[in-house]
Amino acid sequence: EAGVAQSPRYKIIEKRQSVAFWCNPISGHATLYWYQQILGQGPKLLIQFQNNGVVDDSQLPKDRFSAERLKGVDSTLKIQPAKLEDSAVYLCASSFGLAGGRAEQYFGPGTRLTVT
Amino acid sequence: KNQVEQSPQSLIILEGKNCTLQCNYTVSPFSNLRWYKQDTGRGPVSLTIMTFSENTKSNGRYTATLDADTKQSSLHITASQLSDSASYICVVRGSQGNLIFGKGTKLSVKP
Repeated sequence: EAGVAQSPRYKIIEKRQSVAFWCNPISGHATLYWYQQILGQGPKLLIQFQNNGVVDDSQLPKDRFSAERLKGVDSTLKIQPAKLEDSAVYLCASSFGLAGGRAEQYFGPGTRLTVT
Repeated sequence: KNQVEQSPQSLIILEGKNCTLQCNYTVSPFSNLRWYKQDTGRGPVSLTIMTFSENTKSNGRYTATLDADTKQSSLHITASQLSDSASYICVVRGSQGNLIFGKGTKLSVKP
């Protein structure tokens, strides 16, 4: 089966610019996650969707980050305006099960963002 | 505070040698623990998952152990290969479904 797709793979922007990332989860997966992974750290959950509803966005910096999953399939994550500390890899993951439980999360290749 | 600590931070070994990576956690209540392998430039891929009642789980040359009493887990890699060079991340799921990620151990296997 096809894996989680993300685009772009790399993005370089200047601070205060805007950027958007796209994720297409594995077909049939109800739950979708966006993570931020700073170099040398483990991933940090930004937001979790179940179908098109937000389950957890407690660690999403809502003053500059936004995400949507309007039709319960693809999702976009936006940063506006970007700061230097936003430089990181943004990982999208999806799982078949509902939020919680043992459902394995399948990760996409990530988008590496560099803010200069 | 729920935390996952991994050691060592980085490790260099020669091809063919064995190694063991450590994971200590303070997550409570505990649901399960996974070890992920993350190749450079790729997303993490699950290697093993263990629940409270499981002490050991193998996946080829990878063997994970879990001691739920001491809240410790290890990942043992046997007969390492160059392709084992990656970051290995320990992830603990709390009973409410929240995931707590360790910072990972960066393993380099040299010829």
